[in-house]
Amino acid sequence: GQSLEQPSEVTAVEGAIVQINCTYQTSGFYGLSWYQQHDGGAPTFLSYNALDGLEETGRFSSFLSRSDSYGYLLLQELQMKDSASYFCAVRPRQAGTALIFGKGTTLSVSS
Amino acid sequence: NAGVTQTPKFQVLKTGQSMTLQCAQDMNHEYMSWYRQDPGMGLRLIHYSVGAGITDQGEVPNGYNVSRSTTEDFPLRLLSAAPSQTSVYFCASSYRARASSYNSPLHFGNGTRLTVT
Repeated sequence: GQSLEQPSEVTAVEGAIVQINCTYQTSGFYGLSWYQQHDGGAPTFLSYNALDGLEETGRFSSFLSRSDSYGYLLLQELQMKDSASYFCAVRPRQAGTALIFGKGTTLSVSS
Repeated sequence: NAGVTQTPKFQVLKTGQSMTLQCAQDMNHEYMSWYRQDPGMGLRLIHYSVGAGITDQGEVPNGYNVSRSTTEDFPLRLLSAAPSQTSVYFCASSYRARASSYNSPLHFGNGTRLTVT
């Protein structure tokens, strides 16, 4: 089976850098994704790591290390609008394209 | 494009009632899925489909049925609603990834908030 562990809550101030970790136990997967959700609305895609290493998209970066069963989402120059829930997700090989999500991390950014 | 459209937005059912949550997408996506979201539980996969006529179970399929007669539509049926099915339901779709290095991000609908009393 698959399980993904994330911290339930993270707090930070505007302008800071925050890292949201995701550790996983899975028998095999295609890649690690990150999604953002504001106030219970529709989750939206942020980033994807197919291979080990760092992927950068503007203020957001994501990292994957398959040997350590670990990934993270890095948010830089935090803004109030970054307050949201963040989910890591994997696409297990045996389940085709069905994404399995972690329980999510609620990020609160204060001024 | 409307993207992924879910109806209704809100629904209240009594225990034992049945209903269908509708999901439609206009992006010609092969893959569609249903998730439920409960506080502290994240998004849990209920059922998914990789194309018309093909469905499969996810992590929490009990109490739900699905069918996929067209590429566009993927309804979720609750045959006999239970209070444990009170949740927010999200439908999502994507292109079917052809290779492990190819990312096919999910597009989510705005959700259906269901309360079973």
